Amino acid sequence: AQSVTQLDSQVPVFEEAPVELRCNYSSSVSVYLFWYVQYPNQGLQLLLKYLSGSTLVKGINGFEAEFNKSQTSFHLRKPSVHISDTAEYFCAVSDNNAGNMLTFGGGTRLMVKP
Amino acid sequence: DTAVSQTPKYLVTQMGNDKSIKCEQNLGHDTMYWYKQDSKKFLKIMFSYNNKELIINETVPNRFSPKSPDKAHLNLHINSLELGDSAVYFCASSPNRLAGVADTQYFGPGTRLTVL
Repeated sequence: AQSVTQLDSQVPVFEEAPVELRCNYSSSVSVYLFWYVQYPNQGLQLLLKYLSGSTLVKGINGFEAEFNKSQTSFHLRKPSVHISDTAEYFCAVSDNNAGNMLTFGGGTRLMVKP
Repeated sequence: DTAVSQTPKYLVTQMGNDKSIKCEQNLGHDTMYWYKQDSKKFLKIMFSYNNKELIINETVPNRFSPKSPDKAHLNLHINSLELGDSAVYFCASSPNRLAGVADTQYFGPGTRLTVL
């Protein structure tokens, strides 16, 4: 069985400040990792995903994430946030045995203040 | 053009009623999903269909019955609605489950179901 823990339910930050949203996972096999974003009253949209290769993954809107196998983490970062980044962010994991089934973390609400 | 669409966007109904939510994708994908997002934003997979065949059924009550008339549609029918069914239901699709387990899933806008 696999699980995903997002350590912060809410992260308030001022505009143009850097931000890190934390994600830890547990799985007994090799995993694929995803970050999705949900803007208010909308569906989820893929930000980035890690499949293999380079542990630093770049996504849309200036976000990036680093896969750390020893720490079983996949933290999401952005060097300078905008008001428009205010949204709910979900970390998710899938593995070879899961048939593309995603297991999501509880979400982190990023609140960007002017 | 909307890639994954759901109808209705909002659904308010009484306990005990039967209701359906429709989902359509125009991406040519083979695999479709239903997710439930509760009031605390927790997202959980309910069903997955690949080419009209049920692949995943994650301990969902029998009152929930997905129906896939063709690979572009996956509808969700719910019988005898209960208060605990109130949630936002998301439909999603991905290209081909068999081709790669790390496919990106494309989500619809969601259907907010409120059971009174």
